[in-house]
Amino acid sequence: QKEVEQDPGPLSVPEGAIVSLNCTYSNSAFQYFMWYRQYSRKGPELLMYTYSSGNKEDGRFTAQVDKSSKYISLFIRDSQPSDSATYLCAMLKTSYDKVIFGPGTSLSVIP
Amino acid sequence: GAGVSQSPSNKVTEKGKDVELRCDPISGHTALYWYRQSLGQGLEFLIYFQGNSAPDKSGLPSDRFSAERTGGSVSTLTIQRTQQEDSAVYLCASSLTQTGEMAKTQYFGPGTRLLVL
Repeated sequence: QKEVEQDPGPLSVPEGAIVSLNCTYSNSAFQYFMWYRQYSRKGPELLMYTYSSGNKEDGRFTAQVDKSSKYISLFIRDSQPSDSATYLCAMLKTSYDKVIFGPGTSLSVIP
Repeated sequence: GAGVSQSPSNKVTEKGKDVELRCDPISGHTALYWYRQSLGQGLEFLIYFQGNSAPDKSGLPSDRFSAERTGGSVSTLTIQRTQQEDSAVYLCASSLTQTGEMAKTQYFGPGTRLLVL
């Protein structure tokens, strides 16, 4: 079993839809959770990060962590074609640890 | 300011040849990371540097892979006697430091797409 699992998609939604992207993980020691966005032929860029459980909102994006279920989510409201990209979840146990990435979910927002 | 740059952007080589991939991190970033990204596999950690030292080489898949960093800046990833399974995108990232809050913000370069024929 991989440490971090993510549905690879592809996920295709109409413009304006609410998108839910999810990751599950197996190691309860993970404390820091990130979401990276990767456009085609580009490197990933950090979108959001949260520490421990709870929600964090930034504009149209909301990150949610449920440590009891070992489940994290990224919600995108009012999705735009420019949101079309691969979304990678990432996590680490301590700030001294290496980051473990999920395989990524490919998202297409159709105008 | 300038981001992380990598060269070459694409590399096609024959099986058995050696290749060198270069990474120029953001100026002032002390931590530098190498990852490999294969289709559907996500980012696979290879090695990280803090300054010129490599405290964690655990991700290097075999002794054909090596990396160095000089002057606390440029890093080179070398793959000797390349195999077809080495074909992937090799990504470099840097962060201000390896520990603390800043460690979570890694800035990635565009990657080098390696194809071994």
